[in-house]
Amino acid sequence: RKEVEQDPGPFNVPEGATVAFNCTYSNSASQSFFWYRQDCRKEPKLLMSVYSSGNEDGRFTAQLNRASQYISLLIRDSKLSDSATYLCVVPYSGGYNKLIFGAGTRLAVHP
Amino acid sequence: DTAVSQTPKYLVTQMGNDKSIKCEQNLGHDTMYWYKQDSKKFLKIMFSYNNKELIINETVPNRFSPKSPDKAHLNLHINSLELGDSAVYFCASSQGQGDLYEQYFGPGTRLTVT
Repeated sequence: RKEVEQDPGPFNVPEGATVAFNCTYSNSASQSFFWYRQDCRKEPKLLMSVYSSGNEDGRFTAQLNRASQYISLLIRDSKLSDSATYLCVVPYSGGYNKLIFGAGTRLAVHP
Repeated sequence: DTAVSQTPKYLVTQMGNDKSIKCEQNLGHDTMYWYKQDSKKFLKIMFSYNNKELIINETVPNRFSPKSPDKAHLNLHINSLELGDSAVYFCASSQGQGDLYEQYFGPGTRLTVT
């Protein structure tokens, strides 16, 4: 299994829709996970940290399933401004205290 | 105030040249990183420094040499540039060393080697 895998998408959804992305990881010992958002030609920006079973921030909910080793990101009531690439980030299984970034899932929200 | 800044934002140069990218963070963080994002959009770590000490050194050509004069600055010097070095280089910082800490990224330096 790869360190981290994401469906590249794109996910094309209308405004107001609910959309969910999954991310699988290989490091069963991981304690921390992150979701970043990257707009076209911009830097990645932290969206959410996940340290336990999940986290919620407004329209965004991240859930962690340790048994199946996946993290999900749920976006409710999608806005046009949510259009971006969402990067799943997990600790590297080989140690060295480094993070591995997934290739990202593209989301396109249309009117 | 920009938290993590990089200069230059764009860099166009010819093969064989030597160039440097500078990074500064005003977050008071102890750890800084260099990442490379290639045309396929994969973001890969190159180096990490903690309090001016090199802690992560990935398998990158030794033409790439990082330097941290103090914990707020991390520079990247690249010798003998090659076409394959064309990419976006991101600097990042985190409060501490380790995978529990969120990383904050600079705006990136888009390097084009012709």
